[in-house]
Amino acid sequence: SYVLTQPPSVSVAPGKAAVITCEGNNIGVKSVHWYQQKPGQAPILVIYYDSDRASGIPERYLGSNSGNTATLTISRVEAGDEADYYCQVWDSGSDHVVFGGGTKLTVL
Amino acid sequence: EVQVVESGGGLVQPGGSLRLSCAVSGFSLSDYAMTWVRQAPGKGLEWVSGISGYGAGIYYADSVKGRFTISSDTSKGTLYLQMNRLRAEDTAVYYCSKNRVLWEMNPMDVWGQGTTVTVSS
Repeated sequence: SYVLTQPPSVSVAPGKAAVITCEGNNIGVKSVHWYQQKPGQAPILVIYYDSDRASGIPERYLGSNSGNTATLTISRVEAGDEADYYCQVWDSGSDHVVFGGGTKLTVL
Repeated sequence: EVQVVESGGGLVQPGGSLRLSCAVSGFSLSDYAMTWVRQAPGKGLEWVSGISGYGAGIYYADSVKGRFTISSDTSKGTLYLQMNRLRAEDTAVYYCSKNRVLWEMNPMDVWGQGTTVTVSS
């Protein structure tokens, strides 16, 4: 089955850029979606189809996807960006939705 | 306003059954695919099941296939997840989500607040 690998944690100072990666075999040919989940809340969609921002998501959120790595970049990080972030794809080989293990973003 | 609201969670013994419901508003179930996702305590998101437009495509995670059944009642605006032969490892918050389009299982653009299922004796 298809596997997505994310770093368990990323820490960044306020005002700096946070980069969260999502690795998968030839993930560049798949569409990658990103979700943000704050403690005690449901996930929300932030980036879909690699780089489209969901409604209400600031332009500071950027997505890209190529080769074996998809990336979520959050520029000028704020305290309110602190959350868990999950990447997700559809694996047509198994007809399964696949989530990455999630990355906890900490704003120092 | 587009909204999904889950219900039906609770405490159930191992081997028991439970049916989750997801009431939708602001859109029709015939126009979008729908998905169930769960999250065990302290763990990440795990896809459970999805149903595409008009029930043409129904998909299950390997961990629930043969035990869980997804269905929808368009006239009632309600999505269901029938869960049988429950195990301790099924303990989780179960989220219902609306997919962005009719025929694809992703992305999920509207999520409910979740309903908690606890499987324990």
